[in-house]
Amino acid sequence: KAGVTQTPRYLIKTRGQQVTLSCSPISGHRSVSWYQQTPGQGLQFLFEYFSETQRNKGNFPGRFSGRQFSNSRSEMNVSTLELGDSALYLCASSLFTGRDTEAFFGQGTRLTVV
Amino acid sequence: QKEVEQNSGPLSVPEGAIASLNCTYSDRGSQSFFWYRQYSGKSPELIMFIYSNGDKEDGRFTAQLNKASQYVSLLIRDSQPSDSATYLCAVKDQGGKLIFGQGTELSVKP
Repeated sequence: KAGVTQTPRYLIKTRGQQVTLSCSPISGHRSVSWYQQTPGQGLQFLFEYFSETQRNKGNFPGRFSGRQFSNSRSEMNVSTLELGDSALYLCASSLFTGRDTEAFFGQGTRLTVV
Repeated sequence: QKEVEQNSGPLSVPEGAIASLNCTYSDRGSQSFFWYRQYSGKSPELIMFIYSNGDKEDGRFTAQLNKASQYVSLLIRDSQPSDSATYLCAVKDQGGKLIFGQGTELSVKP
């Protein structure tokens, strides 16, 4: 059974540009969550999508947005990139949303903003 | 006060010893608790989850949950050098968001 697939693995962008990251969850999983990981702040929750609807949102500015498609694949977009957006962006896949469900992470996308 | 707190470490234990990792959380309504292992440069890997008070064992790993004290722990028996990693405690809040602690770095010395 394939795991969570994130593309691309590495990305270098310039300040002010925008970027789109992609996540394909484990087959049959309908919930996708996105996290930002930095050395200083650790893993921080961005948002969760379930059945194409945003179910939860973290405390990030509106420059960070996402969406989920009917096949459960999800994309995350960051507009007007800032240097501080440099981080590892992780996607986690769950069978469904709710408290008693485990989340499995993809390998992440390492974004560097220069 | 941070929502999920862990000692950052590093925690150093000799090979074969028991490693004890601790985590406290602030949301009394939290119901689900998870431990992830993250090797340097890799993504987090789920190793244990626990929903009920008490202990849950899986091989060399035991998760312990005390909801009254808002405390979760992970014990690793017969620690191996390959267990050296950062261990992340995660708590699912009442809204369903998974909140992570900063992680505890574990070093197992041969």
